[in-house]
Amino acid sequence: DSGVTQTPKHLITATGQRVTLRCSPRSGDLSVYWYQQSLDQGLQFLIQYYNGEERAKGNILERFSAQQFPDLHSELNLSSLELGDSALYFCASNVLAGSTDTQYFGPGTRLTVL
Amino acid sequence: AQSVAQPEDQVNVAEGNPLTVKCTYSVSGNPYLFWYVQYPNRGLQFLLKYITGDNLVKGSYGFEAEFNKSQTSFHLKKPSALVSDSALYFCALGQAGTALIFGKGTTLSVSS
Repeated sequence: DSGVTQTPKHLITATGQRVTLRCSPRSGDLSVYWYQQSLDQGLQFLIQYYNGEERAKGNILERFSAQQFPDLHSELNLSSLELGDSALYFCASNVLAGSTDTQYFGPGTRLTVL
Repeated sequence: AQSVAQPEDQVNVAEGNPLTVKCTYSVSGNPYLFWYVQYPNRGLQFLLKYITGDNLVKGSYGFEAEFNKSQTSFHLKKPSALVSDSALYFCALGQAGTALIFGKGTTLSVSS
């Protein structure tokens, strides 16, 4: 167990809908990362927050947004969902924002868009 | 541009034999390299990382990796494979100020 929690584990929804994925980082970690894992794209970085502020953006669609709250948990919002958004979404956390610091991953949320 | 390549989609090895999962990278500047393992329906688990120093890095579950700057490689190794090592392995590259860039993953299958 990495100490990173994600809810829900599974999410099934329809095209056009909006969903929110939640992540709680390890105790003491200030930085949260979101990744998307799909069969065709592999593991891709979406966005990073550090102590409540957006730190870096990757291949995140405009339909997707995220935030990190004062208690350091983070939410990833996916809207106007399309079939191609079906994937496994991971959250990871570490203490610092630097890339030498190991990122610890949560168990993921499997999103299925029908 | 930074990139990570895992040239083998699948590696098959018999239990008790040594295993190697290959990873090569491309980066300007100092590379920070990581190996993660993913079991079915689970998140990624950290195995080991290379930041600087000794080229041979030891990690969890008996795994180790050798950093080779001249060949820009960071291969994952284990002297004696277990059936329970069967999983999906990811090599990842980090650089200062960036998030991790992952390879496509290599499925390791260990037969009894």
